[in-house]
Amino acid sequence: EAGVTQFPSHSVIEKGQTVTLRCDPISGHDNLYWYRRVMGKEIKFLLHFVKESKQDESGMPNNRFLAERTGGTYSTLKVQPAELEDSGVYFCASSQSLNPQETQYFGPGTRLLVL
Amino acid sequence: AQSVTQLDSHVSVSEGTPVLLRCNYSSSYSPSLFWYVQHPNKGLQLLLKYTSAATLVKGINGFEAEFKKSETSFHLTKPSAHMSDAAEYFCVVTLDTGRRALTFGSGTRLQVQP
Repeated sequence: EAGVTQFPSHSVIEKGQTVTLRCDPISGHDNLYWYRRVMGKEIKFLLHFVKESKQDESGMPNNRFLAERTGGTYSTLKVQPAELEDSGVYFCASSQSLNPQETQYFGPGTRLLVL
Repeated sequence: AQSVTQLDSHVSVSEGTPVLLRCNYSSSYSPSLFWYVQHPNKGLQLLLKYTSAATLVKGINGFEAEFKKSETSFHLTKPSAHMSDAAEYFCVVTLDTGRRALTFGSGTRLQVQP
């Protein structure tokens, strides 16, 4: 069974540019989550999709971040325009059910560097 | 509100000696607790989870953790460290409420000396 995959693995862009990160969850997982770890800080929750609907987007930092999950399969996270403080590692996770004890399976992350 | 405190940012042990990574949590509700590990340039992998079935939880690679409600702790232990255990470890909590967002501790980097 394939795990959670993320693309690209690394991205280096200049301030003001746009970057789009992609996440493919485990097949059959309705729940998809985005997290990020800014340099030197803790891993923080960004948002949660149930199928194509945003269940919880309380962690999105500002309106420069746009997440979509059209069709309820893969998800994209767009940062436009990127700022220096957006540098960090962006993780995607997926889970099958909404049970709080359910394991969230993480992808390898996308390392974003904004210069 | 919920929070997780990992008491040590770095822990260094010798190969073959015990490992103790400390975690305390704060929660107004019944928590689910997890330990995740991240090896260099890899994703986060679940080590073990507490789901109220048993207070002593066994995970992969010989790790275990004990849930102590009176101490609000969920420390991670392993009897004998191996070089391959060198990684960053995260204590994580989620609540039995509507939200499924995980709350992460700041991480403990484990170094294993030969």
